[in-house]
Formats: sequence, structure tokens, C-alpha cells
Amino acid sequence: SQTIHQWPATLVQPVGSPLSLECTVEGTSNPNLYWYRQAAGRGLQLLFYSVGIGQISSEVPQNLSASRPQDRQFILSSKKLLLSDSGFYLCAWSPLGSRSFEQFFGPGTRLTVL
Amino acid sequence: AQTVTQSQPEMSVQEAETVTLSCTYDTSESDYYLFWYKQPPSRQMILVIRQEAYKQQNATENRFSVNFQKAAKSFSLKISDSQLGDAAMYFCAYRPLQFSQGGSEKLVFGKGTKLTVNP
Repeated sequence: SQTIHQWPATLVQPVGSPLSLECTVEGTSNPNLYWYRQAAGRGLQLLFYSVGIGQISSEVPQNLSASRPQDRQFILSSKKLLLSDSGFYLCAWSPLGSRSFEQFFGPGTRLTVL
Repeated sequence: AQTVTQSQPEMSVQEAETVTLSCTYDTSESDYYLFWYKQPPSRQMILVIRQEAYKQQNATENRFSVNFQKAAKSFSLKISDSQLGDAAMYFCAYRPLQFSQGGSEKLVFGKGTKLTVNP
């Protein structure tokens, strides 16, 4: 069966510090991968998605970036965090193929920028 | 652009009773998928139910069922025999069948409804 992992689970970082959040998927190959952010009291906002290694598309311009160094690894990064980067970050995957359906979500990372 | 609206920020229900959560969406597409996700206090998003727009029959999953009104662009979730474990944020989501040029299978989410189940 497929599983998705995210770490760390929680993170407190000062403004201006770098960020690296990691997401890995097990039990599947060539998944589509997604990074979402959920701000307090709001729905999920898609940040990045990837359909393959090294292929990253950005949905919202900001100081975050994403990379996919391996097929089942997706990394969210920032060189300098802003207060507005605080939130709950969710990684998700979906099976490759035009008839794929829902996305499967990881446990999330709560980021607090002070 | 597609949008999803959940007009009820919060709802409450008595244990064992039935509750309906509302969702409307705006799209010019004819083929798409609709989903309800549940986010309990643990924050992990869990798929509750999905509906293909080309299917007229409403989807059901045990105590969860939907009322899909395509012409009205409405997709409500009914929870029967509510249980304490149903307490969570519920998100309605939309995904077009035809993908964008980039191949994204982007889900568009509503802002959620917080469901409280009273014992």
C-alpha cells in the first residue's frame, strides 16, 4: 500500500531563516506531487505541483520554492522566511494517468515563523 | 476560474442525528470530479466521498451521501447517524476532468465547514 510521509511535524523558525520541508511517498512510482498551504481559517492553497523529477510548476509567486530530486521526494524550501509563511503545509500525491481521481495527503507540517 | 463556496463556516449536530453541509461551485466545464475531504484535529486530510459529474446517481459511502445537483452546481454532504468521531473540518473540492496544458490535476478547495458533534 502507498504511504506518504512529511517531516518535520512542527517547526518554529525566526524570520529570515531558511526552510526545508520534506515529503516522501512509498509504494508507488511516478506520482504527481503537490504542496499546499493552509492558513488559519482558510482552505487549501496549491503552491507547487510536479509531474516528474525536476519538473516543478508554481501556482503562486512567493519566496518559496520546490524541488523534486527523486521520483518520490518533494521538497519545499525558502532562503528567507517571512512572517506570512506561517501555516500548515500539506504534501499530497496522486497516481499518474489521466483517469486518476483524488489526491492523498500527508500528515502535514505546522510552521510558525516568529 | 473555478471556485468552490462553502457558505456555512460552522455547523453543529446532535449525536445520532443527521446533518447536511452545503457546497456550491462555479465552472464552465461539463466533466469534472467533486470531493468531500475531512480534516480532523490531527489535521490529516481524509477523503470522505467523491462524485463524477457524468454520473447522475448520487455517491454514498456508508453514513455519508451526497446530493449532487449539476444544473444548480450544488454538491451537499449528508452525514447520517452522526458520531463523535465525525467532528472535523469538512472541505468540498473540485477538479476538472480535462487537464491544463501543464498536466496539473489541481484541486480547488472551499474554505471549509467546521462540524461539531454534541453528545
